[in-house]
Amino acid sequence: DTAVSQTPKYLVTQMGNDKSIKCEQNLGHDTMYWYKQDSKKFLKIMFSYNNKELIINETVPNRFSPKSPDKAHLNLHINSLELGDSAVYFCASSQGGRLAGTSTDTQYFGPGTRLTVL
Amino acid sequence: AQSVTQLDSHVSVSEGTPVLLRCNYSSSYSPSLFWYVQHPNKGLQLLLKYTSAATLVKGINGFEAEFKKSETSFHLTKPSAHMSDAAEYFCVVPGFQKLVFGTGTRLLVSP
Repeated sequence: DTAVSQTPKYLVTQMGNDKSIKCEQNLGHDTMYWYKQDSKKFLKIMFSYNNKELIINETVPNRFSPKSPDKAHLNLHINSLELGDSAVYFCASSQGGRLAGTSTDTQYFGPGTRLTVL
Repeated sequence: AQSVTQLDSHVSVSEGTPVLLRCNYSSSYSPSLFWYVQHPNKGLQLLLKYTSAATLVKGINGFEAEFKKSETSFHLTKPSAHMSDAAEYFCVVPGFQKLVFGTGTRLLVSP
């Protein structure tokens, strides 16, 4: 049983298009995240949601819009794709609540979505 | 702000020899620290975590790490490398509702 799943696994698209990546977790966790991994393997947080509420938006361009229809899902929609958006996007989840502060809860990662913008 | 520095971008070992992946942290207080592993074209998996209990932490697949406050270090070790250990390893410090990743160390294991 997959704990954190993402679709699609690969996404190839043209500049200027709009695309979405879906994420689902079946762990019953309260908090979900999106991370971006660049070509140098550097990972950086993009968004954090707790129980459908946005907690962190790390200076991500507003072309990126996360949507959480319920606490088990956190989708990422990207408008007007640019070459620099090419990366691997990872979804993750953890148990901690919004008042957890500096959380030591283990984050469970999905397999990643490799986005290539041509 | 808390941060981690991974001192080596690549480490090469032979199968059966010890592994040492180095990580230094910067924090105004004793932090929690994690090591995550990413196998090629896979997601990230938690190897081990330190949360101010025992300073020597044992993880999965025979890895362990020791928290040394005097040296601000949290190096990852394994006595004997296996081919399946070849992967990217990240030292990580938790921030508010997020993880802060080091730049990663690629472990190469040769037969």
